[in-house]
Amino acid sequence: NAGVTQTPKFRILKIGQSMTLQCTQDMNHNYMYWYRQDPGMGLKLIYYSVGAGITDKGEVPNGYNVSRSTTEDFPLRLELAAPSQTSVYFCASSYAGGNGYTFGSGTRLTVV
Amino acid sequence: AQKITQTQPGMFVQEKEAVTLDCTYDTSDQSYGLFWYKQPSSGEMIFLIYQGSYDEQNATEGRYSLNFQKARKSANLVISASQLGDSAMYFCAMREGGKLIFGQGTELSVKP
Repeated sequence: NAGVTQTPKFRILKIGQSMTLQCTQDMNHNYMYWYRQDPGMGLKLIYYSVGAGITDKGEVPNGYNVSRSTTEDFPLRLELAAPSQTSVYFCASSYAGGNGYTFGSGTRLTVV
Repeated sequence: AQKITQTQPGMFVQEKEAVTLDCTYDTSDQSYGLFWYKQPSSGEMIFLIYQGSYDEQNATEGRYSLNFQKARKSANLVISASQLGDSAMYFCAMREGGKLIFGQGTELSVKP
C-alpha cells in the first residue's frame, strides 16, 4: 500500500522552463490537494480536486495548472518557472468529509 | 483575512513539562474540522489529532489533547510530558468545505 506517491523528489529548473510534478494515490480517495511550503512557513493550498474531472483554485494558484482525469492521479503543471516558485510541494488526498489526510513526501523544487 | 492564525512563531518548553500551542480560526460554516500536524526537520507531515465542529468532547490522542472552545473559535493543542522528540514545527489546519487550510506554524523546541 503505497499511499500518496510524488515524483520527482528533487528538481532544479531554469527560469522559463516548464515541468509537471506527479502525484498518485492508491487509496481510492476522491479528494486531492496540492500545497507549497516556503521555508519557515505553513502550507499554502495551490489547487484541489473533489473528484475526477473537477478542480478548483486554492489560495495561491497563479503560475500553476492542474488536471484530474483519473481518481488516482493529480499532476501539477508549472509553466514558465520563476524563482518565486522555489518551494517544497506536497500532494495530499482524503475521502470526502473525512478526517484522515494522507500526504506525500514532497518535491523540493529550485528555480534558478 | 487569515482563516487559521497561530500567533506563536516559536515556543520553548522544558522536557517533561506540558505546553500549549495556540490556534484560532475563522469560518461561517457550521460543519468544519480542526487538525493538528507535526512536521519534524525531516519534512514529513504527521497527523496528531482531529476535532469535529459538532464534537462535544475535547479530542485526546495519547499525550496530545485539543482544547476546543467553539464560541471563541480556538483549538489549542496541549502536549503533556514533553519529550525531546517533540521538537518540531506544529501546524493547525481547518477543513472547510472541500479545502484544508493551514496556519503559519509554531516551532517548538524541547529543552533537556
